[in-house]
Amino acid sequence: EPEVTQTPSHQVTQMGQEVILRCVPISNHLYFYWYRQILGQKVEFLVSFYNNEISEKSEIFDDQFSVERPDGSNFTLKIRSTKLEDSAMYFCASSLTRLAQETQYFGPGTRLLVL
Amino acid sequence: AQSVTQLGSHVSVSEGALVLLRCNYSSSVPPYLFWYVQYPNQGLQLLLKYTTGATLVKGINGFEAEFKKSETSFHLTKPSAHMSDAAEYFCAVSGPYQGAQKLVFGQGTRLTINP
Repeated sequence: EPEVTQTPSHQVTQMGQEVILRCVPISNHLYFYWYRQILGQKVEFLVSFYNNEISEKSEIFDDQFSVERPDGSNFTLKIRSTKLEDSAMYFCASSLTRLAQETQYFGPGTRLLVL
Repeated sequence: AQSVTQLGSHVSVSEGALVLLRCNYSSSVPPYLFWYVQYPNQGLQLLLKYTTGATLVKGINGFEAEFKKSETSFHLTKPSAHMSDAAEYFCAVSGPYQGAQKLVFGQGTRLTINP
């Protein structure tokens, strides 16, 4: 069964460094998402992406964050200058359509630790 | 704004006992409702979802959930717990309008099964 994959599974970085989290969505899906979960808190929506444009973003997704689909398969989340509070599990998801009832398929997550 | 409340961050049941995980949403217009499960070191996997039609929804692994509009609830049940059901369970909503595809999650419930 097709699945969403994410790399790396764990990343440790120093505050102020740039990190890029990578995702390979399901191949025929057109809509892509990033969510994050700070330890002990809810899973929160960050951004949705379609046709090489951001469709929607949350208040969390400020200028330090960017997303890109650099080729036909990868979808990346970049954090330009990491802060301690960026430490979280980051989940990538994809869906076939943008219908609100469409299932979003999630990857296993990247655990980011900012020191 | 949509919100989801899951009563009980931890639920513990004996093997073979009924599993009941509670989820309430806040929305004047019923949204689309989802239950996801996360096994250790894995991504979020869809258990079931309610879009329209029959209010009792059956999902994978013997789980089901009933949408009750009058109670703004979407509780998850399984008649007989199995050791393999130990995981974290997330209730989520999207919509209710098309284009509102981001998922809003509850805080999650960790289910423990006692032998």
